[in-house]
Amino acid sequence: QSVLTQPPSASGTPGQGVSISCSGSSSNIGSNYVHWYQHLPGTAPKLLIYSYNQRPSGVPDRFSGSRSDTSASLAISGLRSEDEADYYCAAWDDSLSGWVFGGGTKLTVL
Amino acid sequence: EVQIVESGGGLVQPGGSLKLSCVVSGFKFSAYAMTWVRRAPGRGLEWVSTISGDGGSTYYPNSMRGRFIVSRDNSKNTLYLQMSSLRAEDTAIYYCAKEAIAAVTSQSDYWGQGTQVTVSS
Repeated sequence: QSVLTQPPSASGTPGQGVSISCSGSSSNIGSNYVHWYQHLPGTAPKLLIYSYNQRPSGVPDRFSGSRSDTSASLAISGLRSEDEADYYCAAWDDSLSGWVFGGGTKLTVL
Repeated sequence: EVQIVESGGGLVQPGGSLKLSCVVSGFKFSAYAMTWVRRAPGRGLEWVSTISGDGGSTYYPNSMRGRFIVSRDNSKNTLYLQMSSLRAEDTAIYYCAKEAIAAVTSQSDYWGQGTQVTVSS
């Protein structure tokens, strides 16, 4: 059972948009930045969004993040086949003094 | 160019020990916190440990505190993870990641390719 709650799966067709939610609490999302990672098993995880809505250099603007109270969302527009991966939200938890991750959302591009 | 390379993984029996290493280049190692994250088969990313840039502060989830010890040698640009009392559920790919700034609570902006740890008799 992960501290941050994500839907286990999401899907969309090429060109469509999709949103992935991440629900937490006041000790993590409610008081610290949320970051999003993209991971294809067997490869290095990749930072996709940091500090709620900032994109590292090289990440397309099709990816965006937002946060409201104790929840956060990752939105992907104009889906492409290469977006098929696992997506994780993460935040520092003040009560646990450590990082907490969501359980991950497997994105399928149909 | 930032490079992060993990090593030291392998097959170990339950109850055994293993020490992972992570050699980095392309940035001032001592200026950044570092983190270990793992991914077990069929499961998601799981935080393992974080250490401050000077090595003076370390953090672990309760499930690993006392069994895992993170350390670093800033003169060798190397991060370590000493794992003991290993269990089958510790089987995973272990990733080393650099934090974006000195604070342990910042995002991990660069990751290695991981090293496989298998705990089995």
